[in-house]
Amino acid sequence: GIQVEQSPPDLILQEGANSTLRCNFSDSVNNLQWFHQNPWGQLINLFYIPSGTKQNGRLSATTVATERYSLLYISSSQTTDSGVYFCAVERDTGFQKLVFGTGTRLLVSP
Amino acid sequence: DAMVIQNPRYQVTQFGKPVTLSCSQTLNHNVMYWYQQKSSQAPKLLFHYYDKDFNNEADTPDNFQSRRPNTSFCFLDIRSPGLGDAAMYLCATSRDMGGYTFGSGTRLTVV
Repeated sequence: GIQVEQSPPDLILQEGANSTLRCNFSDSVNNLQWFHQNPWGQLINLFYIPSGTKQNGRLSATTVATERYSLLYISSSQTTDSGVYFCAVERDTGFQKLVFGTGTRLLVSP
Repeated sequence: DAMVIQNPRYQVTQFGKPVTLSCSQTLNHNVMYWYQQKSSQAPKLLFHYYDKDFNNEADTPDNFQSRRPNTSFCFLDIRSPGLGDAAMYLCATSRDMGGYTFGSGTRLTVV
């Protein structure tokens, strides 16, 4: 099956710093989503981004489907950005079933 | 606001005692999913419903079953919970060619 790898696995930032999270996938995909899982376990949809670039406030994402990777940028990080960031892909098999990446655990300290 | 609601938020059950988790949605999405997430792991798909059509993942244990009586509700039944079934259970919905929306999850403890 498709493999989805994220890097780095863990990241510690000082408040105000910028960061880039990466997601690599091993096969063609229909779509890609980025999620933030907060400390209470809620998965929040950040971006639905099969290709191109999108921005939402301090967050932006870029997916280059032909090269099988996506990037999530966090600027001016805040303590509330802490949690686990997952990318998830929909396999190119004609039906949407999300396959999650390995996750990046982010801790933003004050 | 349209949303996906899971109840209860926390569930404690005894080893071997059947337990049911519930999920409801006001999004009118045609697809509903159940994911299992163990500590420090990514969510893993157990099964999904495309309208009324049930689809089981090949490696989902027989101990897990699901029901979808109508578009809005979906249930996860664990027939005989073991200690290894302790996890966060996440319900999600989507529509054709649309993104996923997740509920806040039910954290299951087996004692």
